[in-house]
Amino acid sequence: EPEVTQTPSHQVTQMGQEVILRCVPISNHLYFYWYRQILGQKVEFLVSFYNNEISEKSEIFDDQFSVERPDGSNFTLKIRSTKLEDSAMYFCASKGWETQYFGPGTRLLVL
Amino acid sequence: GENVEQHPSTLSVQEGDSAVIKCTYSDSASNYFPWYKQELGKGPQLIIDIRSNVGEKKDQRIAVTLNKTAKHFSLHITETQPEDSAVYFCAASIGSGGGADGLTFGKGTHLIIQP
Repeated sequence: EPEVTQTPSHQVTQMGQEVILRCVPISNHLYFYWYRQILGQKVEFLVSFYNNEISEKSEIFDDQFSVERPDGSNFTLKIRSTKLEDSAMYFCASKGWETQYFGPGTRLLVL
Repeated sequence: GENVEQHPSTLSVQEGDSAVIKCTYSDSASNYFPWYKQELGKGPQLIIDIRSNVGEKKDQRIAVTLNKTAKHFSLHITETQPEDSAVYFCAASIGSGGGADGLTFGKGTHLIIQP
């Protein structure tokens, strides 16, 4: 069964450093998403992406964040200058028509 | 924007009993309501969803009901088993079919099945 994959599974970085989180969505899906989940809290929507551009973004997704689909298979989330409060689990999701399928997540720890 | 409230935060039931988790939403434009199960260290997995033109949907031991007038929807799990132990999230979105709308999640319910 096709699934969303994410790399790395864990990332530790120093405050102020740039990180890139990578996702490979399900191959025939057209809509892509990033969510985050701070430890013990609910999953929060960051951004959606369709037809090579951002469709919708939340107030969390400020100028420090960017997304890109550099080729036909990868979907990336870049955090330009990480803050302590960026520590969270980041989930990628993709959708063909209605159901969003989530990847296993990348746990980001900012020190 | 949309706000989704979920109750209870923790639910402990005896194996074999039923479990009910309830959610309310604020935006009457929301028309798609999925439920996700999240096991420790994994991403959310869809278990069932319902659209606004349907009042109830069932899939084996799992059912979801939707009351659009009251803006609430519920997850029902019957004959609970140990493997049902997980965190369950309800969610809502405006897009039902097509569209890139993000999901608004509830805070989650930690379901514990007691043997």
